[in-house]
Amino acid sequence: QKEVEQNSGPLSVPEGAIASLNCTYSDRVSQSFFWYRQYSGKSPELIMSIYSNGDKEDGRFTAQLNKASQYVSLLIRDSQPSDSATYLCAVKWSYGGSQGNLIFGKGTKLSVKP
Amino acid sequence: DTGVSQDPRHKITKRGQNVTFRCDPISEHNRLYWYRQTLGQGPEFLTYFQNEAQLEKSRLLSDRFSAERPKGSFSTLEIQRTEQGDSAMYLCASSRTLDTQYFGPGTRLTVL
Repeated sequence: QKEVEQNSGPLSVPEGAIASLNCTYSDRVSQSFFWYRQYSGKSPELIMSIYSNGDKEDGRFTAQLNKASQYVSLLIRDSQPSDSATYLCAVKWSYGGSQGNLIFGKGTKLSVKP
Repeated sequence: DTGVSQDPRHKITKRGQNVTFRCDPISEHNRLYWYRQTLGQGPEFLTYFQNEAQLEKSRLLSDRFSAERPKGSFSTLEIQRTEQGDSAMYLCASSRTLDTQYFGPGTRLTVL
């Protein structure tokens, strides 16, 4: 059973701080990794994708992937109240009977306090 | 790109009724996915199409659920004899081959 685990939170950080969101997954043959942001009552919005070990930066966001440890994280620098949302980690397996559908964690709720 | 669109955005129905949702993917995206999301959970995969072919269905997709993508463009998801447990947000996503999936706004279903 493929699984993606996230701490449900809530994670509370002050405005301007770094928010660190973590995700672990169960299968070593995972291909691609994604972070989506979801505001209450809205649909998921892609923040970052990462495919290889290491760091990937995009503006205030940095995704980190460690396949050996089966761990992916998202750092949000200079957190803003508008970053308050649920962050979903998603993993895509593309082998065997599964051809690209995403497996999501339950999400971590982030609250950035002014 | 006009984004993925879904219709209706909200649907309230009585138990036992049939409902149908529509998804229009981003143009030229040949893959279309349906997910279901309940409160406090991440989206759960239901089924996906490559062009008009339905290539995979989750065990979550009971016999009461059927999905089509007749011309490889828009897709419909029908739920027959709705149950209260079907209440959820139904999300559609599209992608170009195995690339990143982009989600539509979702259809929120409430079964009374």
